[in-house]
Amino acid sequence: DADVTQTPRNRITKTGKRIMLECSQTKGHDRMYWYRQDPGLGLRLIYYSFDVKDINKGEISDGYSVSRQAQAKFSLSLESAIPNQTALYFCATSDFSGPTGELFFGEGSRLTVL
Amino acid sequence: AQKVTQAQTEISVVEKEDVTLDCVYETRDTTYYLFWYKQPPSGELVFLIRRNSFDEQNEISGRYSWNFQKSTSSFNFTITASQVVDSAVYFCALREGARGSTLGRLYFGRGTQLTVWP
Repeated sequence: DADVTQTPRNRITKTGKRIMLECSQTKGHDRMYWYRQDPGLGLRLIYYSFDVKDINKGEISDGYSVSRQAQAKFSLSLESAIPNQTALYFCATSDFSGPTGELFFGEGSRLTVL
Repeated sequence: AQKVTQAQTEISVVEKEDVTLDCVYETRDTTYYLFWYKQPPSGELVFLIRRNSFDEQNEISGRYSWNFQKSTSSFNFTITASQVVDSAVYFCALREGARGSTLGRLYFGRGTQLTVWP
């Protein structure tokens, strides 16, 4: 089983609908992130959380909200989806205090907003 | 301004050619970490390497090598004798701040699409 699991993996929805992308991890990491990938733009940070009580906005948080329900769970919500939120979304974790510090990514959630 | 610049949007080579992917970064921190990730057509992000700012020694792993030069703020990635399976998008990334700092975010470049033709 994957250490970082995202659900759903693929979702097609309509403009104005509320969408939630969920992320759970078994790595025991404190830090969790949501990134968005668009062709030619790389990965851009939406929100990040350094522990359950800590939520921070990233570069492109407008139109999104998050919830850190537990150390292992970090969900991303689109309250009213719009077509330009069509993208590939990645959840990631890191153990910053650890020796490596790299991000461990989920497999991605492809969202299409019609 | 972008913290990580990958000027090459797309590169095409023929199998067995060597190819270098460029990465230039910008930071005022003296302690920072640089990363390379690979994203094959299947979409997942695969960690390739991490380098900290105090270690300028170049690294080789099989056909992969990395050239870190602080003087030019570059962390370039070379694939020797490229193979079709190397076709992917490659991302360079920067993390600023000393260990334990709240500044733990990764900043990604826009990626370089590498296509290796048989």
